[in-house]
Amino acid sequence: DTGVSQDPRHKITKRGQNVTFRCDPISEHNRLYWYRQTLGQGPEFLTYFQNEAQLEKSRLLSDRFSAERPKGSFSTLEIQRTEQGDSAMYLCASSLATGTNYEQYFGPGTRLTVT
Amino acid sequence: QKEVEQDPGPLSVPEGAIVSLNCTYSNSAFQYFMWYRQYSRKGPELLMYTYSSGNKEDGRFTAQVDKSSKYISLFIRDSQPSDSATYLCDNAGNMLTFGGGTRLMVKP
Repeated sequence: DTGVSQDPRHKITKRGQNVTFRCDPISEHNRLYWYRQTLGQGPEFLTYFQNEAQLEKSRLLSDRFSAERPKGSFSTLEIQRTEQGDSAMYLCASSLATGTNYEQYFGPGTRLTVT
Repeated sequence: QKEVEQDPGPLSVPEGAIVSLNCTYSNSAFQYFMWYRQYSRKGPELLMYTYSSGNKEDGRFTAQVDKSSKYISLFIRDSQPSDSATYLCDNAGNMLTFGGGTRLMVKP
């Protein structure tokens, strides 16, 4: 399977714990995006990378969230001191940025439940 | 005001019906429009995109953009139960600003 993969698919954690998610993009894609989606809502942009550089972060992204893409390939998203409001689906997408090409390909998501 | 607005539905139609899904957008800076389909508990998948006004057709799907009224539409002909999903529209450049999605149910 050469699509975007995410791990784990499901995560249940207790409030206050730290969690880390991983995303492996399509291999030739240079851009990687993280989104959060809650029930009944569209995906909400969190941050994106071009190669290893983090180019933009949403103003909605609290300091408890951090993302890395150290070698310009896979990326991790860490949430520290989780809160119940962090419960959501976390989606990763990748794209090949060329000219006006904005097509993004999404992974299956990681569903986080904070109890 | 959200940049992209959609009626959340649900929209329920019988199999074989023509479906019309609509979005309005507020930011004219980005002229690239996309429709994504999302099945329950799955990530969104790109369905269609267009970079102009007018219509773009792909099989049973037609995307229509009206920049003068900031309105984008997706038409599905001969709808099938497998089309039952949430449809997300977007108008953006580097990152995607999604509408909340319209849930479509096609009943056999």
